[in-house]
Amino acid sequence: DIQMTQSPSFLSASVGDRVTINCKASQNINKYLNWYQQKLGEAPKRLIYNTNNLQTGIPSRFSGSGSGTDYTLTISSLQPEDFATYFCLQHNSFPLTFGSGTKLEIK
Amino acid sequence: EVQLVESGGGLVQPGRSMKLSCAASGFTFSNYGMAWVRQAPTKGLEWVATISYDGSSTYYRDSVKGRFTISRDNAKSTLYLQMNSLRSEDTATYYCTRGPLNYWGQGVMVTVSS
Repeated sequence: DIQMTQSPSFLSASVGDRVTINCKASQNINKYLNWYQQKLGEAPKRLIYNTNNLQTGIPSRFSGSGSGTDYTLTISSLQPEDFATYFCLQHNSFPLTFGSGTKLEIK
Repeated sequence: EVQLVESGGGLVQPGRSMKLSCAASGFTFSNYGMAWVRQAPTKGLEWVATISYDGSSTYYRDSVKGRFTISRDNAKSTLYLQMNSLRSEDTATYYCTRGPLNYWGQGVMVTVSS
């Protein structure tokens, strides 16, 4: 199974900050990496698919990058509605595996 | 608009069975693979099972193999998850998702407890 190591687990930041969240796969996942945002009591929402493709309707302040085993989600200028938990997902091979999540909190 | 609506959850005793359903609308259901993902209370996300667009291929995480069965009825645009021999560790919110997990239902809670 491919293990996804996500960091940091918690992130405290202010509105307007630039933040990055990382996911490291235990083997090459060929850019089959998605990013999700989840707010309390809601279903996850896909932000980015296949490393760097922005889901329709998602603001352009969200971006993704990476290759091989290392992937990054960047939020260029945090907005109040961005404070949530973020997860990565590898869908290169079964079993699909998620990162453990990053809780982004207001400083 | 893509809509996925789960149903069938609730409280069930360990060792018993439960069947979840997911009614899909707003897209051609028979064109897409579908999946179930779960999330235990205050925990992260865990992929459970995937089924191909025509039902010919299925995939499961090891911990549910032999106990859970994913299936679909394309004529009814409905996805199912038959869960047998339920354990306390199966307690979670179960989400129905489309394709490469791009659309998600609102989730249904399954609690396994005596």
